[in-house]
Amino acid sequence: GAVVSQHPSWVICKSGTSVKIECRSLDFQATTMFWYRQFPKQSLMLMATSNEGSKATYEQGVEKDKFLINHASLTLSTLTVTSAHPEDSSFYICSASRGPGTEAFFGQGTRLTVV
Amino acid sequence: GNSVTQMEGPVTLSEEAFLTINCTYTATGYPSLFWYVQYPGEGLQLLLKATKADDKGSNKGFEATYRKETTSFHLEKGSVQVSDSAVYFCALNSGGSNYKLTFGKGTLLTVNP
Repeated sequence: GAVVSQHPSWVICKSGTSVKIECRSLDFQATTMFWYRQFPKQSLMLMATSNEGSKATYEQGVEKDKFLINHASLTLSTLTVTSAHPEDSSFYICSASRGPGTEAFFGQGTRLTVV
Repeated sequence: GNSVTQMEGPVTLSEEAFLTINCTYTATGYPSLFWYVQYPGEGLQLLLKATKADDKGSNKGFEATYRKETTSFHLEKGSVQVSDSAVYFCALNSGGSNYKLTFGKGTLLTVNP
């Protein structure tokens, strides 16, 4: 199958610290990865699209200096929430696809709570 | 811009009841349409999809037909099971080289025995 794994599943951090979330494609090479944010009872909002080896493309309104995305290999992308604040608390979900126009497979999500 | 509007939940049904979850969309061009399902504690899984008008996507007893004239993609199942309890998301991809999805808010379905 096409398995995408996110780690950690949940994390609690103190305000002002940084948190890194990993997204791995376990059995395929992911040319493109997507990061979403989901607020309670809201839809998934696309934050950014990353292609392996190049800079991520951020959606309008997403602070690229706050949400750092790295896609250094074909099986791993990371999202780092820098200087986290309580308003960054949310559910973050990644997805990965083999290439342009192909199906994207989703990770199980990471629940971030900033206290 | 693109948007997806789906039926507000939660939806609670008894086992073997008929299910409909409404979904309408706004998009430029000719989008592909999807239904994703998220079981408790798991990531989203593609349930079914349709890539052009009048296509019917089907999987696990669920069906949805791409209706361009009403810009709709309603999800249906004739007889739900307890194991169908999950959150269902309608989504569209307006094309282009990236698989960039626009999601609805999700509908929580609970099926009671």
